[in-house]
Amino acid sequence: AQKVTQAQTEISVVEKEDVTLDCVYETRDTTYYLFWYKQPPSGELVFLIRRNSFDEQNEISGRYSWNFQKSTSSFNFTITASQVVDSAVYFCALRRVTGGGNKLTFGTGTQLKVEL
Amino acid sequence: NAGVTQTPKFQVLKTGQSMTLQCAQDMNHEYMSWYRQDPGMGLRLIHYSVGAGITDQGEVPNGYNVSRSTTEDFPLRLLSAAPSQTSVYFCASSYGRGIGNEKLFFGSGTQLSVL
Repeated sequence: AQKVTQAQTEISVVEKEDVTLDCVYETRDTTYYLFWYKQPPSGELVFLIRRNSFDEQNEISGRYSWNFQKSTSSFNFTITASQVVDSAVYFCALRRVTGGGNKLTFGTGTQLKVEL
Repeated sequence: NAGVTQTPKFQVLKTGQSMTLQCAQDMNHEYMSWYRQDPGMGLRLIHYSVGAGITDQGEVPNGYNVSRSTTEDFPLRLLSAAPSQTSVYFCASSYGRGIGNEKLFFGSGTQLSVL
């Protein structure tokens, strides 16, 4: 069975602070995909990143960066110099490489509040 | 390009009523799926489809029915609504197998309340 744990239910920061959202996953598969999605107050789900399990290179996109560590089964997400517009619920998700169509196993989400 | 379109956006039902949530995509995606989102539980998979005529159950299928007669449409039917089905429902689609095809495109969601 697959499982994604986001232990941080809610995080509050002041604008311009850096913040890291944790994601720990469990899977018996040797290859898999990991995702982060953002859900702003409007409710839609916005794709942020996909990571293949066989590529452990960290990735940076503007103020966003992702740290994938297969040895600890973690895929953490850091926002540098947070802004009010970053306030949202962030979901980490896991998907098998083969089988099951586009089934994602989601974590329970982390509510990020960025205040002035 | 409309992407994934869900209707309705909001719906209130009485216990025992039936209804269909509509989902359509115009990207010629092979894979489609339905999720429900409940507070503190993230998104959970209800049913999914890997192509026209092929559907399978997800994590929480009870009380729901699906069919996939065309590539574009993947309706979700509530057979006899119960208060436990009060939730936000998301439809998602993606391309089929192959590296680079894993990204899910989500609809804007349907907020359903069952009284």
